[in-house]
Amino acid sequence: SQQGEEDPQALSIQEGENATMNCSYKTSINNLQWYRQNSGRGLVHLILIRSNEREKHSGRLRVTLDTSKKSSSLLITASRAADTASYFCATAPANAGGTSYGKLTFGQGTILTVHP
Amino acid sequence: GAGVSQSPRYKVAKRGQDVALRCDPISGHVSLFWYQQALGQGPEFLTYFQNEAQLDKSGLPSDRFFAERPEGSVSTLKIQRTQQEDSAVYLCASSPTGRGKGPNGYTFGSGTRLTVV
Repeated sequence: SQQGEEDPQALSIQEGENATMNCSYKTSINNLQWYRQNSGRGLVHLILIRSNEREKHSGRLRVTLDTSKKSSSLLITASRAADTASYFCATAPANAGGTSYGKLTFGQGTILTVHP
Repeated sequence: GAGVSQSPRYKVAKRGQDVALRCDPISGHVSLFWYQQALGQGPEFLTYFQNEAQLDKSGLPSDRFFAERPEGSVSTLKIQRTQQEDSAVYLCASSPTGRGKGPNGYTFGSGTRLTVV
């Protein structure tokens, strides 16, 4: 079963606009990761934010994490047509006694379409 | 290799046929995961290896699913007597770190798309 829920399920924007995707989860986490998947391809790791972090940046990506609300958001600024893909959040469980190995639980994804 | 390699990319199996899916992780990576991704869904965990040890197989849907990594590198996911509900993309991921050392981002392969007819 999937822990995360993402919204929106689909997002359509024009090139140059910002895209925001949200993710909610249910259990305590060690970290939350965002992945991108182009049609018919594997997942590409974008960014990881740990449970003690609130915000992280990487290039045009900005991720926030609110552990009190068990939610995260991914912002892509100045979007490009090449950003068209599905985006997934994935959570790694809290490290209980040092035995966690980082099994990921994925959300259902947001399909982003950026029109040129 | 430079990335995680999976083969075949596509597999069509007749219902009842056995299939074997291969994953070549990045050389030296300790952790290896298998995930199943149904159409329009996020990946779901199947099983985890640390080196050659299968530490978690809680996600395998039935006893028709079997995975191995005998020498701690290449892994094979075998599905016996395939059924239509097995149709999905099977993804393999690897990571340099192991149990208790903190999870980081994983490198995924491109997956094997299995279609059972």
